[in-house]
Amino acid sequence: GAVVSQHPSRVICKSGTSVKIECRSLDFQATTMFWYRQFPKQSLMLMATSNEGSKATYEQGVEKDKFLINHASLTLSTLTVTSAHPEDSSFYICSARDAGLAGLNEQFFGPGTRLTVL
Amino acid sequence: AQSVTQPDIHITVSEGASLELRCNYSYGATPYLFWYVQSPGQGLQLLLKYFSGDTLVQGIKGFEAEFKRSQSSFNLRKPSVHWSDAAEYFCAVGARRGGADGLTFGKGTHLIIQP
Repeated sequence: GAVVSQHPSRVICKSGTSVKIECRSLDFQATTMFWYRQFPKQSLMLMATSNEGSKATYEQGVEKDKFLINHASLTLSTLTVTSAHPEDSSFYICSARDAGLAGLNEQFFGPGTRLTVL
Repeated sequence: AQSVTQPDIHITVSEGASLELRCNYSYGATPYLFWYVQSPGQGLQLLLKYFSGDTLVQGIKGFEAEFKRSQSSFNLRKPSVHWSDAAEYFCAVGARRGGADGLTFGKGTHLIIQP
């Protein structure tokens, strides 16, 4: 149980294009999903909190117009990197909080998406 | 604001030897504490977590961690490491507010296993 998938696992795109990354909770409902970014050999940094049916909450310093987050259902959140540039190249990891485990701050992580912008 | 410090960037241990990875946190109340392991190019795997109760928690793969409130620490231990334990280890803290907040991670400790 508690499986989170991400698609795609790897993506290479040209500078100036947009890329969409999907995060799905496969066997549970996730009212809250989180998006993290990890630079090479560094820690994970929380980018934004995605709540089903409402606007995402972005961490300080994260451009909401550049990193568009949509959480349209209880099992799917998407992150769209708009007008991507080489500095956006990174490992993006999502996590999902099981709505059935209310009161516990346990998140289940996806396998990550490696974005390379040429 | 909460923070996590993992003072050791790299640790090298001989196979079969014991291991302790250090983690100190800063948080105004009792936190949720986690240890994750990440293999190269992979996502995170939860090793163990502490929410409340017994301060010595057991996890997967033979790992354990002890929550020490007086020292604001949550060190990870394993009595005998295996070559497959070589990976990046992250300590993380979460707010005790129903999971509304994302986790704050330490910078990670890279574990190297010597044969």
